[in-house]
Amino acid sequence: EAQLVQSGAEVKKPGESLKISCTGSGYIFDNFWIAWVRQIPGKGLEWMGNIYPGDSDTIYSPSFQGQVTISVDRSASTAFLQWSGLKASDTAIYYCAKRDGTVFDPWGQGTLVTVSS
Amino acid sequence: EIVLTQSPGTLSLSPGERATLSCRASQTLTSAYLAWYQQKPGQAPRLLIIGASSRARGIPDRFSGGGSGTDFTLTISRLEPEDFAVYYCQHYDSSWTFGQGTKVEI
Repeated sequence: EAQLVQSGAEVKKPGESLKISCTGSGYIFDNFWIAWVRQIPGKGLEWMGNIYPGDSDTIYSPSFQGQVTISVDRSASTAFLQWSGLKASDTAIYYCAKRDGTVFDPWGQGTLVTVSS
Repeated sequence: EIVLTQSPGTLSLSPGERATLSCRASQTLTSAYLAWYQQKPGQAPRLLIIGASSRARGIPDRFSGGGSGTDFTLTISRLEPEDFAVYYCQHYDSSWTFGQGTKVEI
């Protein structure tokens, strides 16, 4: 059974950098896109972008292009989402999910990122 | 850009009742690319319905999806206590768009 496990909650200051992770197991990691989705507390879901571990092909939502970087370490079956200069508005829960065709299933448990001075 | 509008924002019902949730699109959708997710407090979303009407693996048959064109529905035939949650519709059209969610509360 496919499973995604994400790294733990983070508390950062504005301007700091951050890289969170998502490790897949129970399936062939290289063969399925990984999606990242943002959820601001109390709000809805926003697709950020996808990466294909097999060749690191990456697509970003226009809303997040240039704001974050998605990468992958195939040897560790792990995808990453990183920021080079966090803002308070980046405070949110970030989910990774395995893309299966045009749907996301399953999802990781989420990583809460808090950015506060 | 496709906009998905879900209604109502909140649905107040009792266990055993029928819930009907709406997802309306700003333009005609490809039904095959319409999905529904359930999110309980403090949990990640869970896939319920794919292709507008097919239940995902392990989803009880009290959940059903329907619709076409710009209007889609998720129906929960008889609410169980564990069904009280937020439900999102999602569509793919070269990118992924979510509706804003409908909260089903007691």
